[in-house]
Amino acid sequence: RKEVEQDPGPFNVPEGATVAFNCTYSNSASQSFFWYRQDCRKEPKLLMSVYSSGNEDGRFTAQLNRASQYISLLIRDSKLSDSATYLCVVRNKGGGGADGLTFGKGTHLIIQP
Amino acid sequence: DAGVTQSPTHLIKTRGQQVTLRCSPKSGHDTVSWYQQALGQGPQFIFQYYEEEERQRGNFPDRFSGHQFPNYSSELNVNALLLGDSALYLCASSFAGGDSPLHFGNGTRLTVT
Repeated sequence: RKEVEQDPGPFNVPEGATVAFNCTYSNSASQSFFWYRQDCRKEPKLLMSVYSSGNEDGRFTAQLNRASQYISLLIRDSKLSDSATYLCVVRNKGGGGADGLTFGKGTHLIIQP
Repeated sequence: DAGVTQSPTHLIKTRGQQVTLRCSPKSGHDTVSWYQQALGQGPQFIFQYYEEEERQRGNFPDRFSGHQFPNYSSELNVNALLLGDSALYLCASSFAGGDSPLHFGNGTRLTVT
């Protein structure tokens, strides 16, 4: 099982709709979680951290389910500008990566007018 | 507040050549990490520098080496380039320790022919 798994999509969603995607992780000792957004041929940009109690930032809601080892990202009232690849990032203390960071391959989202 | 800057933006090299990529971290950050991102993949960790030393390393051969300078800027060197080294090379900076998220530069797109 891969450390961090995401459905690559693409998810084709009409403008204004709500879309959600999940990310699963294999290491039960994972400590912290992030969602990054990456536009085509650009660098990843931090969208939001994911907290145990769940957190919301405008139209975006992130949730963590430690028991089932997945995190989710919900986008409400989707905009054309939300079209991008969304990368799930997991930090494992003492694990591989920069401070144990492992990136998923990303989920490609296309918002259609 | 300057973000992470990388140079050059694009680079074309021939197999067997050597390349040096440069990165200046976000103001106030002291840790620099390098990632390789192939098309359709998530970023793969190469190594991390802190206090001018390589602190962690991913699964990359010794052809990949780096350096951090007293002003926290960093270089990534790749020797004996292979076609498979063609990718987007991302530099990310952060604060050492804690749960600091990464801030990425625009990346250097390397093409090896």
